Amino acid sequence: GAGVSQSPRYKVAKRGQDVALRCDPISGHVSLFWYQQALGQGPEFLTYFQNEAQLDKSGLPSDRFFAERPEGSVSTLKIQRTQQEDSAVYLCASTTIRGYIEGEQYFGPGTRLTVT
Amino acid sequence: GQQVMQIPQYQHVQEGEDFTTYCNSSTTLSNIQWYKQRPGGHPVFLIQLVKSGEVKKQKRLTFQFGEAKKNSSLHITATQTTDVGTYFCAGRGSQGNLIFGKGTKLSVKP
Repeated sequence: GAGVSQSPRYKVAKRGQDVALRCDPISGHVSLFWYQQALGQGPEFLTYFQNEAQLDKSGLPSDRFFAERPEGSVSTLKIQRTQQEDSAVYLCASTTIRGYIEGEQYFGPGTRLTVT
Repeated sequence: GQQVMQIPQYQHVQEGEDFTTYCNSSTTLSNIQWYKQRPGGHPVFLIQLVKSGEVKKQKRLTFQFGEAKKNSSLHITATQTTDVGTYFCAGRGSQGNLIFGKGTKLSVKP
């Protein structure tokens, strides 16, 4: 593919529902990052994968948030029992470089989650 | 914790005027990156600065990294309507992850 893709682009969930957000990184990209971007704010780091290994999940705001990348390519961010404060755009980014990047991160279009 | 502060939050300019956004970190940075996010879009990488005092230019954009590697700036000369968007700086946190500033939202009046 030409770039990082994410689905769905928009998701409306009722408070308490579980949601799953998908990220397809650029083929061959080793590192994958998830960010949360609230309205009017910069992206905030959630978690980082190198291949299938989740090396850093220090940014996940609570144990309701869970991410996986079982085969080292597609990743899923799952939010259980959604709350209104979870409403945000969830961005995925990937890069060819192992470890925390020293270069460009390629961002996907994001999933806008609205919890009602 | 480590923070990356960015000012101003908003900037409205007339087309043709110059624009500058400033980024300050509470700690020394190994490098700093700049991204642009168009309205409704996603962040797009502009540049990375690594060396103390480094200055890089991309056409009408000039990026600087401070001598102490704790601050940076982006200057746009003679803004155009295509420059509209939010400009973010991002520094590497102590654990390695990128910490983004809150961004400067630029609007350009034709």
